[in-house]
Amino acid sequence: EPEVTQTPSHQVTQMGQEVILRCVPISNHLYFYWYRQILGQKVEFLVSFYNNEISEKSEIFDDQFSVERPDGSNFTLKIRSTKLEDSAMYFCASSEMGGTLLSQTQYFGPGTRLLVL
Amino acid sequence: GQQVMQIPQYQHVQEGEDFTTYCNSSTTLSNIQWYKQRPGGHPVFLIQLVKSGEVKKQKRLTFQFGEAKKNSSLHITATQTTDVGTYFCAGPKYNFNKFYFGSGTKLNVKP
Repeated sequence: EPEVTQTPSHQVTQMGQEVILRCVPISNHLYFYWYRQILGQKVEFLVSFYNNEISEKSEIFDDQFSVERPDGSNFTLKIRSTKLEDSAMYFCASSEMGGTLLSQTQYFGPGTRLLVL
Repeated sequence: GQQVMQIPQYQHVQEGEDFTTYCNSSTTLSNIQWYKQRPGGHPVFLIQLVKSGEVKKQKRLTFQFGEAKKNSSLHITATQTTDVGTYFCAGPKYNFNKFYFGSGTKLNVKP
């Protein structure tokens, strides 16, 4: 069964450093998402991406964050200058359809655990 | 802003007992999805409800979407230890591709 993959599984970085989290969505999916989950808390929406541009973003997704689909398979989340409070699990997800279309089943990747020291 | 709340936050049950989690949104949702997250795992899609008042069943799980499309429930009959995990509801507002996850209900099942 096709699945979303993410690399790395764990990332430790120093405050102020840039990190890039990578995701390979399911191949025929058109909508891509990034979420974060601080330990023990709920899943928080960061951004959705469709047709090579951001579709929606949350208040969390400020200028420190950016997303890119550099080629036909990868979908990346960049945090420019990490802060201690960026420490969380970051999940990538993809869906076949999105927007106002009804079938928006999202398939989540296994996540990248980011620790900012 | 948009909020999706779930109650209870935690539920401890004896194996064989029933379990229900409730999801309430501050605004109307175009659809609602339920996800299960095992400890240390990622959210896994369970089901999507679209129509007002819709009820769907998956074996021991029954999902319901409220008439006003602002609330939903998940009921598990005769829980098993394999049901352990956190159950999240999630939904987008109409015309937005932005998902709001509920706060989650953590279920623990004692054998």
